[in-house]
Amino acid sequence: QKEVEQNSGPLSVPEGAIASLNCTYSDRVSQSFFWYRQYSGKSPELIMSIYSNGDKEDGRFTAQLNKASQYVSLLIRDSQPSDSATYLCAVAGGYQKVTFGTGTKLQVIP
Amino acid sequence: DTEVTQTPKHLVMGMTNKKSLKCEQHMGHRAMYWYKQKAKKPPELMFVYSYEKLSINESVPSRFSPECPNSSLLNLHLHALQPEDSALYLCASSQRTGVDTQYFGPGTRLTVL
Repeated sequence: QKEVEQNSGPLSVPEGAIASLNCTYSDRVSQSFFWYRQYSGKSPELIMSIYSNGDKEDGRFTAQLNKASQYVSLLIRDSQPSDSATYLCAVAGGYQKVTFGTGTKLQVIP
Repeated sequence: DTEVTQTPKHLVMGMTNKKSLKCEQHMGHRAMYWYKQKAKKPPELMFVYSYEKLSINESVPSRFSPECPNSSLLNLHLHALQPEDSALYLCASSQRTGVDTQYFGPGTRLTVL
């Protein structure tokens, strides 16, 4: 059973729309949650970290965490073609490791 | 400043060569990581260093040998690699291991002929 699950996509949204990316995790003791953006051939770039239940907003990005449901999401408002990338959900809870999901590929259509 | 640097950016090596990848951070982070990433896959953890000591080795073959000379530097020594070892090798650092945010370097694209 996968520890961190994401829909692989591709998720296609028109420019200017809201993109919603979802992630579920299995380890109930997980404490830290991260969203990374990765362009093809490049390294992962941190978009957002979230540690407590609720919403956290940074510019066009909002991360949402629900520990009871073991669910974390990333909303991207006013999506731009430059947002087209793979988005990795990562979860940390202990054992000194971060577990990555397989990533969701987002395509923003001009 | 959240910069992690890696050299070289690209490396092509034969199966009998010995080479090294280098990683450096000046954020005062005490945890450093090596990951391997194949195309269309997530990063795969190889090694974790905490306070300059190896704390996790994810059963990586001995042809990969990590080294942490000081708190800012991390090396990965390569010897007798196989073509299937071709991948993007990523270094990352964080304040502590486990729950803190990891910042990634740009990676080294390794090709083994």
